[in-house]
Amino acid sequence: NAGVTQTPKFRVLKTGQSMTLLCAQDMNHEYMYWYRQDPGMGLRLIHYSVGEGTTAKGEVPDGYNVSRLKKQNFLLGLESAAPSQTSVYFCASSYATGVIHETQYFGPGTRLLVL
Amino acid sequence: AQKVTQAQTEISVVEKEDVTLDCVYETRDTTYYLFWYKQPPSGELVFLIRRNSFDEQNEISGRYSWNFQKSTSSFNFTITASQVVDSAVYFCALSEDTGNQFYFGTGTSLTVIP
Repeated sequence: NAGVTQTPKFRVLKTGQSMTLLCAQDMNHEYMYWYRQDPGMGLRLIHYSVGEGTTAKGEVPDGYNVSRLKKQNFLLGLESAAPSQTSVYFCASSYATGVIHETQYFGPGTRLLVL
Repeated sequence: AQKVTQAQTEISVVEKEDVTLDCVYETRDTTYYLFWYKQPPSGELVFLIRRNSFDEQNEISGRYSWNFQKSTSSFNFTITASQVVDSAVYFCALSEDTGNQFYFGTGTSLTVIP
C-alpha cells in the first residue's frame, strides 16, 4: 500500500497563476482533508470531503477550491495564486464513522512557493 | 481563542533525559477526541495516539506515555530516556463531536542533544 500520496512534491508559481494539487489514497478511506502548514501556525484545515462527490469548507477555505470526483482522489485548486498561499500543503485521509474523529493518515506534503 | 494550546514552542534536552510536552485544549463538547502527531525533520506527519474524552486512563507505549486530565483540560505527552531520533515537532490535536473540524496546536519543536 502506498498510503496517501501527493503530487507534486514542490512547485513554484507566479502570482496569478493557477495550479492543482493531487492527493490519492489507496486505503479505501471515505474522508479526505487538505491542510496548510505555516510557521508558528500549526496545521489549518482548508477543505475536507466526507465522501465521493461531497466537499465542505474548513477553517481557511478562501482562495482554494476542491473536488472529489473519485473516492480515492481529492484535488486542491488555486485559481489565482497569491504570495500568502506560500505554504506546505498536507493531504490526509481517514475511515468514516459519521464524524471526523478517526485517525488521519497524512501524505508527505507539497511545498508551494508563490512569487 | 485557540482550541489547542501548546505553550512550549521549543524544548532542548540532553539524550536520556525525560521530557514532557504540554497540551491544553478547549471545548464545550462532552465527547471529543485528542491526538498526538510527530513530524520528524523529513516532514511527514506520523500518528502517535488517539484518545476519546471518556477514556481518562493514562497510556504507555514503550518510552512514550500520555497523561489525560479532563479536570485541567490537558493531554500531556512524556518521552522517557529521550533519544536523538525523538527530535521532531510534536503536534497535539482536537476533534469535537459537533461539527466537522479538526484543530491542531502550533507544535512543540523538540531537540535531543547527543
